[in-house]
Amino acid sequence: GENVEQHPSTLSVQEGDSAVIKCTYSDSASNYFPWYKQELGKGPQLIIDIRSNVGEKKDQRIAVTLNKTAKHFSLHITETQPEDSAVYFCAASISIKAAGNKLTFGGGTRVLVKP
Amino acid sequence: GAGVSQSPSNKVTEKGKDVELRCDPISGHTALYWYRQSLGQGLEFLIYFQGNSAPDKSGLPSDRFSAERTGGSVSTLTIQRTQQEDSAVYLCASSLDRGQSNEQFFGPGTRLTVL
Repeated sequence: GENVEQHPSTLSVQEGDSAVIKCTYSDSASNYFPWYKQELGKGPQLIIDIRSNVGEKKDQRIAVTLNKTAKHFSLHITETQPEDSAVYFCAASISIKAAGNKLTFGGGTRVLVKP
Repeated sequence: GAGVSQSPSNKVTEKGKDVELRCDPISGHTALYWYRQSLGQGLEFLIYFQGNSAPDKSGLPSDRFSAERTGGSVSTLTIQRTQQEDSAVYLCASSLDRGQSNEQFFGPGTRLTVL
């Protein structure tokens, strides 16, 4: 089955700096790669996702890049703010209509943005 | 509108007892997922329901775990003869699973503690 590795496990950055989280996956058939943000005591919330037919996607201060050949994808947060402090999870799945979208998650990255 | 809700938010039980965890998905969402999040870990897929199709139970860790979804809406995850290693946060998610819409919306989770 799919295996997703995520690094680093913790990341401390100064407010205004950039944060980068990297993930690798094992199953070349995976075609959907979401990133989730989880705040304390809450469920994960989707912040951005990318499909295998796209190499990069941006949404304001957040961007995700995908390298299918190397089977890795990354999350980039620019101009970090204290409210970006949370645990971030990458995930991968083989998204097939009517067959579900079982997500395999990485181990998570705890991001701390210091004011 | 209302998001995914789960109850109870916290459950403490004794080893060997049975527990039931409830999930109310977003109205109109045909797909429902259960995940387990152990302390400091990523999320682990347990089971998936889609409409009237047979559920995908491939992630259930043992036959002590079962789930049902009545009327295509509310779902109950049951753990029989609980063990200490079952202690975790159990998360439910729902999605439309229609066309390109794969986003899974997570509930706040049920924190299960087995003494």
